[in-house]
Amino acid sequence: KNEVEQSPQNLTAQEGEFITINCSYSVGISALHWLQQHPGGGIVSLFMLSSGKKKHGRLIATINIQEKHSSLHITASHPRDSAVYICAVISNYQLIWGAGTKLIIKP
Amino acid sequence: DTAVSQTPKYLVTQMGNDKSIKCEQNLGHDTMYWYKQDSKKFLKIMFSYNNKELIINETVPNRFSPKSPDKAHLNLHINSLELGDSAVYFCASSQAGPWTDTQYFGPGTRLTVL
Repeated sequence: KNEVEQSPQNLTAQEGEFITINCSYSVGISALHWLQQHPGGGIVSLFMLSSGKKKHGRLIATINIQEKHSSLHITASHPRDSAVYICAVISNYQLIWGAGTKLIIKP
Repeated sequence: DTAVSQTPKYLVTQMGNDKSIKCEQNLGHDTMYWYKQDSKKFLKIMFSYNNKELIINETVPNRFSPKSPDKAHLNLHINSLELGDSAVYFCASSQAGPWTDTQYFGPGTRLTVL
């Protein structure tokens, strides 16, 4: 079992839908990253959080340390949100990556 | 202005050759990283430098040698390239670190070894 599990692995939705991507981890962490990788390969860091909730535009990230779970939400999804979303946790000075969630938003 | 830049973007070479990938960040960050993304899209840390000092060196063949001439640059030199080295290599940087701050990634270098 991987130390960082993401679900779903693949998600296809219609434009405008509310999107939720989940990340569960089994190790103690000091922080968690959400990253976005576009089809062209570039990686963008979206959030780093260690507690609570962060919001940036239409993106919201939450983390529950007790439950070892984080969610990434996208409101009013748009085709340009189509990308792979990666959860990565910082544990014992290591960055442990999830396998990613491939999101496709159809117009 | 590009925050973290890598050159080249694409690199195609023959087995046995020696090649380098360059990375530069203009963010004034203290820490830089090299990652390898394999065919399954997993990202694996290879090296991390903080203020030109090597602080993370994961299990990577000796053929891979990072060099940091100053804290804005972290280059990756690969000797005797092998087929299994084919991957996308990402450079990243963070203000603090490692692992304590948001990381900013370069566009990646797609290495193909023939």
